[in-house]
Amino acid sequence: AQSVTQPDIHITVSEGASLELRCNYSYGATPYLFWYVQSPGQGLQLLLKYFSGDTLVQGIKGFEAEFKRSQSSFNLRKPSVHWSDAAEYFCAVGAKGSQGNLIFGKGTKLSVKP
Amino acid sequence: DTAVSQTPKYLVTQMGNDKSIKCEQNLGHDTMYWYKQDSKKFLKIMFSYNNKELIINETVPNRFSPKSPDKAHLNLHINSLELGDSAVYFCASSLGRYTNTIYFGEGSWLTVV
Repeated sequence: AQSVTQPDIHITVSEGASLELRCNYSYGATPYLFWYVQSPGQGLQLLLKYFSGDTLVQGIKGFEAEFKRSQSSFNLRKPSVHWSDAAEYFCAVGAKGSQGNLIFGKGTKLSVKP
Repeated sequence: DTAVSQTPKYLVTQMGNDKSIKCEQNLGHDTMYWYKQDSKKFLKIMFSYNNKELIINETVPNRFSPKSPDKAHLNLHINSLELGDSAVYFCASSLGRYTNTIYFGEGSWLTVV
């Protein structure tokens, strides 16, 4: 069965520290991978996506993610976290050529200490 | 301009009532979705339409009925609301029938009392 696992429910980092949010997927087909961010009371905003090509993808707000097929992972990173990055982060996967549904992970809540 | 807009944003209603949530997108997309986010923030697809054709219909009570009058609009009608229907409902859209980037609306917070 298709699934997405975000092992960390809640992460707290200090402002200015680096960040890595983990995402592992289980998918039989060629995966399309996404990271979305949800601020409190808001909708989901796309941070970045991977369809093919360079496995290191750059997104908005200084985020990047690396696709590692051998590890079935698509971890999100940011070198220096800002207080405004505090939010819920969702990893999602879809299959190339399938109906457009995305499978979402359960999210990782990021808190930022001053 | 809001790309995917849905109304109302907040809705508090009593059990047994019928309510609708409207959604419109101005991105020129031809596929639209309804996702449900539960109290634990878990997101799950409910329905998807491509050019007014229903293409995804997950296991959802038949009290939930989507309607797509055209490819830019997808509404969700819920009959006989139950406490368990309390959730955030997200409308979304994408380009093409197959997997592509999905753009979400701001969400509609439904509380059933």
